[in-house]
Amino acid sequence: DAKTTQPPSMDCAEGRAANLPCNHSTISGNEYVYWYRQIHSQGPQYIIHGLKNNETNEMASLIITEDRKSSTLILPHATLRDTAVYYCIVRVAGGNQGGKLIFGQGTELSVKP
Amino acid sequence: GAVVSQHPSWVICKSGTSVKIECRSLDFQATTMFWYRQFPKQSLMLMATSNEGSKATYEQGVEKDKFLINHASLTLSTLTVTSAHPEDSSFYICSAPLSTDTQYFGPGTRLTVL
Repeated sequence: DAKTTQPPSMDCAEGRAANLPCNHSTISGNEYVYWYRQIHSQGPQYIIHGLKNNETNEMASLIITEDRKSSTLILPHATLRDTAVYYCIVRVAGGNQGGKLIFGQGTELSVKP
Repeated sequence: GAVVSQHPSWVICKSGTSVKIECRSLDFQATTMFWYRQFPKQSLMLMATSNEGSKATYEQGVEKDKFLINHASLTLSTLTVTSAHPEDSSFYICSAPLSTDTQYFGPGTRLTVL
């Protein structure tokens, strides 16, 4: 699976959009971009994933560049409860690994009042 | 929605004893589950893949005789830390894939070995 690079930390004002970048320059054509987050002392939570088209759900939006070498997770109106470590992971969906995820260091997002 | 539970949520044990951690998928079946370990201020490290009906697959550097994994049923995997020592103190997290795209994580088990 391709490696990812994320900034170690970011701050965001409550109510503003949080834009979390991720570089994955060695991504393969069949690898998806997944985002998870981990609130302190809890298990990770799935946020969103995509292949090449932009995706949106009730939690966030995922913007993937045309060359797929980077992506941005957008939390449109960050709240204090969005304070967490956000992980960008690239992997092949399905396959015989059945869901194996390799976590990098992630970005620690602090949402401030 | 789909939920994965872990039991216990925290455990304290004496050095040299064994500790069993359970991971259950509550409303879906999982032929595969994953076990991770997380030390303070660090990311999750995949330890092993638990396979229903066959042996677990361990990641490089993880001692299979120390971390025993049993996938007893389609909804239950257990991790037993044998002869635990203080350096095994960590946050252990399991996960189960609901589909090829969606994976759910348990809330984690905090192990402290005295």
